[in-house]
Amino acid sequence: DTEVTQTPKHLVMGMTNKKSLKCEQHMGHRAMYWYKQKAKKPPELMFVYSYEKLSINESVPSRFSPECPNSSLLNLHLHALQPEDSALYLCASSRELSNQPQHFGDGTRLSIL
Amino acid sequence: GESVGLHLPTLSVQEGDNSIINCAYSNSASDYFIWYKQESGKGPQFIIDIRSNMDKRQGQRVTVLLNKTVKHLSLQIAATQPGDSAVYFCAENRDTGGFKTIFGAGTRLFVKA
Repeated sequence: DTEVTQTPKHLVMGMTNKKSLKCEQHMGHRAMYWYKQKAKKPPELMFVYSYEKLSINESVPSRFSPECPNSSLLNLHLHALQPEDSALYLCASSRELSNQPQHFGDGTRLSIL
Repeated sequence: GESVGLHLPTLSVQEGDNSIINCAYSNSASDYFIWYKQESGKGPQFIIDIRSNMDKRQGQRVTVLLNKTVKHLSLQIAATQPGDSAVYFCAENRDTGGFKTIFGAGTRLFVKA
């Protein structure tokens, strides 16, 4: 079982819907990450949080809005997504934002109709 | 642009043989490298890491070799088992004013029984 929990596991939404992806870890990690992974491709970094503050935004469109309400939780709010946004969204955490291995959740598979 | 890449997209080995998965990187400033394993339907799982001040690191049945002269990273799996079948990603950490993890393209390992 993964120590990073992501919900929901699957999500189908229309282009006008608003939904949120959730990620939770209780390892005391202070860095958390969102990645997007298309089929047969590597994960691509979207956002990085360190001590609940946004550290990196990889020029992600504003229809994706991250939020880190506390050190254990990371959300990704979705609004007005496009079909090309369909992908696996992975959350990860690491002890610190430095040279540390990341622990990944199993992702939310998102389909945009 | 700079990237972390892999020499072979797929690798097929006989059960019990040793596997070698290769990776090339182009950013000489990167100082931390990680290998992840991703099984179908799951998130990437940390296997082993190595810092740039080392050229070899061993784990249980796995060894990572780093050749900074030619910017090459490899993962060796001893006595490959069916459970090793997965996609393997190398990744590098770069400090670009915030630590970023860049994944290579991935190699799919097939283990034949």
